[in-house]
Amino acid sequence: DGGITQSPKYLFRKEGQNVTLSCEQNLNHDAMYWYRQDPGQGLRLIYYSQIVNDFQKGDIAEGYSVSREKKESFPLTVTSAQKNPTAFYLCASRSDPANTEAFFGQGTRLTVV
Amino acid sequence: SQQGEEDPQALSIQEGENATMNCSYKTSINNLQWYRQNSGRGLVHLILIRSNEREKHSGRLRVTLDTSKKSSSLLITASRAADTASYFCATRGMDSSYKLIFGSGTRLLVRP
Repeated sequence: DGGITQSPKYLFRKEGQNVTLSCEQNLNHDAMYWYRQDPGQGLRLIYYSQIVNDFQKGDIAEGYSVSREKKESFPLTVTSAQKNPTAFYLCASRSDPANTEAFFGQGTRLTVV
Repeated sequence: SQQGEEDPQALSIQEGENATMNCSYKTSINNLQWYRQNSGRGLVHLILIRSNEREKHSGRLRVTLDTSKKSSSLLITASRAADTASYFCATRGMDSSYKLIFGSGTRLLVRP
């Protein structure tokens, strides 16, 4: 069935390591988004992509990187440059970026150990 | 840079009461959206209201939009314990309509 899938659900990282969070959608959506959510807080935009092979920084892009080689995939890499990576990460997609609702994955909870 | 800000930050009501949450934003919009998030889960879209609409209903949800005041409200009528969740408004980014920016959310607790 159609939807947006994030994996893994839980991820543990040692300090100094890079980790990659997966986001896959089979909704044929052009736009995809990555958000970070800290406990009890709202969502902050990390990166977004309007179309394949193109992406833009959001409000908190430092320490993160993305790629958009395929329409259905938008992986997020949390690099060692991100000083406080422990958070809940949410991926979303939507068809017409200006006028439609976003569909969200179930999130990845990243913990630095 | 937050585009939308909800208030109150937290709301506790008795089952059966109505819950009202407000959202203010800073710049012109094409539409404003409301989402719900259960604890530890992804967000689920509730309702979208376009800039030329003033009110919209969906089941027990009623959304209003006042573009002159740059504000919106979400009313949940006859609340149920299952409505306990966080509620967020979302609007376009200040520099790009392709950005989708969320407010800080209202945490609603409905007591049985």
